[in-house]
Amino acid sequence: SQQGEEDPQALSIQEGENATMNCSYKTSINNLQWYRQNSGRGLVHLILIRSNEREKHSGRLRVTLDTSKKSSSLLITASRAADTASYFCATAHTGANSKLTFGKGITLSVRP
Amino acid sequence: DTAVSQTPKYLVTQMGNDKSIKCEQNLGHDTMYWYKQDSKKFLKIMFSYNNKELIINETVPNRFSPKSPDKAHLNLHINSLELGDSAVYFCASSGWDGARGEQYFGPGTRLTVT
Repeated sequence: SQQGEEDPQALSIQEGENATMNCSYKTSINNLQWYRQNSGRGLVHLILIRSNEREKHSGRLRVTLDTSKKSSSLLITASRAADTASYFCATAHTGANSKLTFGKGITLSVRP
Repeated sequence: DTAVSQTPKYLVTQMGNDKSIKCEQNLGHDTMYWYKQDSKKFLKIMFSYNNKELIINETVPNRFSPKSPDKAHLNLHINSLELGDSAVYFCASSGWDGARGEQYFGPGTRLTVT
């Protein structure tokens, strides 16, 4: 399966701390994407990193990609209570008509 | 000015019924998708359309029939509903094909089959 697998499954931190979430996958990818889902809502795209990139930043988000280890990490710095949500990594494998394959998600709780 | 909208938001129905979920995007995207999210939050693609043409059909039972009247709309019709169809269904769109770019998701339709 190409499915990304995130870890940990759940993470609870104090407001102001950093949150690090990891994702591993099995086959070659074109890109890897991170999404956030607030309870009862749709997914919101956070950041996309292409296979030839190693690191990207967007505001308080930092994503790294290690294609040799087939892994990615999402770092949220200076977390806020509003960051409480589920976070999903999704991989797009190489090839025509590729699709996004989502992991099972990480539940992040940020305590005020 | 919602980017991707779905109706209805909630759908409660009995086994054996037929129901439809509608999706519209105003982003001008060519590619649209249907995803199913189960009770464990596992999200799996069902269908992908590019400019009204079916691109991906992810071995979904043929009780599920997507229809794209134009590239801004992708509706999902489900025949003979079963208990296992209970889930949250998300529509999404993208300006890229082949999952080469970000996808924009609708708010979801929670389907409960009793």
